[in-house]
Amino acid sequence: EVQLLESGGHLVQPGGSLRLSCVASGFTFSSSGMSWVRQAPGKGLEWVSLFHNEHGDNSAHYADSVEGRFTISRDNSRNTLYLQMNSLRADDTAFYYCTKGRGDNWGQGTLVTVSS
Amino acid sequence: DVVMTQSPLSLSVTLGQPASISCKSSQSLVFSDGDTYLNWFHQRPGQSPRRLIYKVSNRDSGVPDRFSGSGSGTDFTLKISRVEAEDVGVFYCMHSIQWPWTFGQGTKVEIK
Repeated sequence: EVQLLESGGHLVQPGGSLRLSCVASGFTFSSSGMSWVRQAPGKGLEWVSLFHNEHGDNSAHYADSVEGRFTISRDNSRNTLYLQMNSLRADDTAFYYCTKGRGDNWGQGTLVTVSS
Repeated sequence: DVVMTQSPLSLSVTLGQPASISCKSSQSLVFSDGDTYLNWFHQRPGQSPRRLIYKVSNRDSGVPDRFSGSGSGTDFTLKISRVEAEDVGVFYCMHSIQWPWTFGQGTKVEIK
């Protein structure tokens, strides 16, 4: 059974940093594309960052809203996906979900709140 | 960016009756490999999203067969043959043909 377990969400002040983690199990993590998707309270879904792994593309992609501030990375030896978030703003407040592939499976989410 | 437009944005349905949600993309979702990368997700209140349909019409494991997806090119539809109480929540279409992958605005389904 595929399981994705996010952690690291917290209350942080504007301009601060946070690192989210997602521990994966139940599938071959190293050969899977992985992503972070966020959802502001009461709002829709936004694909934040993708670590692609198909069609010969092994690259990281970012939404314009986070480009230059967020960095996605992975440790295949630990089956873990990360999202380093710097220069956080109030509009980054959201639940952050870890997803496998093209949204095949989702974690339960971790809440990031940016507020002074 | 590819814009995904859903309609209606809200739907009130009687239990046991059918429901249909439309999703239109601003450009074709046919990839160079011949596949069409259009997915449907369902998010129940207080829960994470769950994928129901991938590549237009393929149901994910465990998804009831009352859910069906159809369409081609830029025009897609999710149909629920008989709405059940557990279907309340928000349905999203989403493309993954090019970055950024984007979702539709969501269609909120409630029971009359």
